[in-house]
Amino acid sequence: ETGVTQTPRHLVMGMTNKKSLKCEQHLGHNAMYWYKQSAKKPLELMFVYNFKEQTENNSVPSRFSPECPNSSHLFLHLHTLQPEDSALYLCASSQTTTYEQYFGPGTRLTVT
Amino acid sequence: AQSVSQHNHHVILSEAASLELGCNYSYGGTVNLFWYVQYPGQHLQLLLKYFSGDPLVKGIKGFEAEFIKSKFSFNLRKPSVQWSDTAEYFCAVRSSNTGKLIFGQGTTLQVKP
Repeated sequence: ETGVTQTPRHLVMGMTNKKSLKCEQHLGHNAMYWYKQSAKKPLELMFVYNFKEQTENNSVPSRFSPECPNSSHLFLHLHTLQPEDSALYLCASSQTTTYEQYFGPGTRLTVT
Repeated sequence: AQSVSQHNHHVILSEAASLELGCNYSYGGTVNLFWYVQYPGQHLQLLLKYFSGDPLVKGIKGFEAEFIKSKFSFNLRKPSVQWSDTAEYFCAVRSSNTGKLIFGQGTTLQVKP
C-alpha cells in the first residue's frame, strides 16, 4: 500500500451515532491534516498534527474529535453530527508543515 | 482575511485548445503556491508547486504556472489540452506568516473530444 489511505470510503450515519474515520500514510511524513470538502466551497482545513502534536484546530465543533497516535495514523471521531456535516473528509500528509501535502481519496460522509 | 480566488468556476474547451486558469491571492509577504488536480473518481494530486526561484514552474502532464508577485497571481497554463485533462483544478497558497494552506474554490475543466 502506498501514499495516503482512508477508510471507510463511504459512511452513512444517523445524528446519534458514533463513528470514526481512519487515515494512514505510508510516506514517512511527520505532519497530517484533516480537511472538509463541501460542494461548491473551498477545502476547509480542520486539524493539523505535526510530530503527533495538534498544532491547529480551525474552530471545529467539538462533535469532531481528532486523534493522532503516531505519525502514520490519524483518526477523526464523529459524535452527534448534523446533516450539514455531510461532506467529503480528506486526510493529507506532508514531510513537515512547510512541505507540499499529499491527499488521500477521502471518506464520503452522509449524515441522516 | 487571507483568501484565494479562482476566477473561472467552469471551463469548457475542445481538445487542442489552450488553457489558462486564473488564481489570485490576498496575502502579503512570502508565499508558497500550489496547483492540485482532482480527476473524476480520484484523489487530489499535486500538479505543480512554487517555493522560490524561477517564477515559471513546470509540472506534470505539460502544465505550467507563472508566479507574478506584483499581481498576486499564479495562473495555470497548458498549450494544448486533452480529453484526459477533464478534472477539477484547485489553486492553494500557503503564507509563511500563518503556515496554513488555503485553497481556492476550484475550477471544473471539461474538455470535449
